Amino acid sequence: DIQMSQSPSSLSASVGDRVTITCRASQSISSYLNWYQQRPGRPPKLLIYAASSLQSGVPSRFSGRGSGTDFTLTISSLKPEDFGTYYCQQSYTTPFAFGPGTKVDVK
Amino acid sequence: EVELVESGGGLVQPGGSLRLSCVASGFTFSSYEMNWVRQAPGKGLEWVSDISSTGSVIHYEDSVKGRFTISRDNAKNSLSLQMSSLRVEDTAIYYCARGLRGVLGSPMDSWGQGTLVTVSS
Repeated sequence: DIQMSQSPSSLSASVGDRVTITCRASQSISSYLNWYQQRPGRPPKLLIYAASSLQSGVPSRFSGRGSGTDFTLTISSLKPEDFGTYYCQQSYTTPFAFGPGTKVDVK
Repeated sequence: EVELVESGGGLVQPGGSLRLSCVASGFTFSSYEMNWVRQAPGKGLEWVSDISSTGSVIHYEDSVKGRFTISRDNAKNSLSLQMSSLRVEDTAIYYCARGLRGVLGSPMDSWGQGTLVTVSS
């Protein structure tokens, strides 16, 4: 099975900061990588799919890059509503594993 | 508007069974792959199972194979997860989620609010 890792596990940043989260797959997954945001008490929300495609309705401050085993999610200018936990997920082969998550606190 | 509503969660003893349901509206249910994803209290997300639009292709996460059965009724816009031989570690919120059509790997673009399953004696 493919294992997913993320770093950092948590971060605290100020409004306006540029934030980058890294995700790594244990083997190549091409561009089959998705990013989700989850706010407390809410279901996850799809942000980025196929590594770099912005889901409809998601603000353009969110962007994704990478292919193979290494991927990044970047928030170009952090807003207060961006707090929550961010998960990467591979959809290359089942089981479609998620990363352990990165908790983002807004200072 | 796309809506997914889960039901069927509750408290069950270890070794017991439970059937979760998810009713879909606002889209052509029969055209979409569907998934179950769970989240243990205070923990991360775990993909559980998926089923193709026709029900002909099904996959499971290893820890639920042989215990959980996913199914769908396209005439009723309904997705189900039959869970048996439940374990304490199956305690979680269970979400149903739609796979995005025509996209590499069918990422999950719409999610229900979830239903809580608690396995405890």
